[in-house]
Amino acid sequence: EIVLTQSPGTLSLSPGERATLSCRASQSVSSNYLAWYQQKPGQAPRLLIYGASNRATGLPDRFTGSGSGTDFTLTISSLEPEDFAVYYCQQYGGSPFTFGPGTKVDVK
Amino acid sequence: QVQLQESGPGLIKPSETLSLTCTVSGGSISRYYWSWIRQPPGKGLEWIGFIYYNGDTNYNPSLKSRVTISVDASKNQFSLKLTSVTAADTAVYYCARDPHGLDVWGQGTTVTVSS
Repeated sequence: EIVLTQSPGTLSLSPGERATLSCRASQSVSSNYLAWYQQKPGQAPRLLIYGASNRATGLPDRFTGSGSGTDFTLTISSLEPEDFAVYYCQQYGGSPFTFGPGTKVDVK
Repeated sequence: QVQLQESGPGLIKPSETLSLTCTVSGGSISRYYWSWIRQPPGKGLEWIGFIYYNGDTNYNPSLKSRVTISVDASKNQFSLKLTSVTAADTAVYYCARDPHGLDVWGQGTTVTVSS
């Protein structure tokens, strides 16, 4: 089973700042099948990035996914008020598909 | 656009079987993988398993002995059964479409296991 570790656990930033979220896998993720999700309280997660770097339909270009192998990054270039949420990475390159524990981005 | 809706009992007793259905509207269940994911209160996400529209399945080994996912293409639905539940199975259960990452999610349904 591929274990995903996300860092930091919490990221305290102000609107307009840049957010850099890390997701590290315990072994290489096949075909870079790595996705990122955003979840707000009381809501279902929302797909942001798939295949490590492909934006989901309609996603603003301030969200960028990068990385390969075992190290992946989600960057939000300039935080908007609606971006404060919990972010999860998920690998779907090998069964069982696994999620990271999440990074909470909150207001500084 | 495609929408998913989970349905099923919100409260079940320990040792009973959890049964949930996900109804797909606005599109066909064919040609995609369909997943179940759960989230215990205040915790992260856990992938339960998926089914392809032709009935092929893949389950999380941690739950495999208790899980069955099935599909009814004629009703545009897929279902989850989880046997011998305990309090540890209390969670919000989500269904989702899985073409390449989970791109469409249901709103989630809370299932509480309690006597």
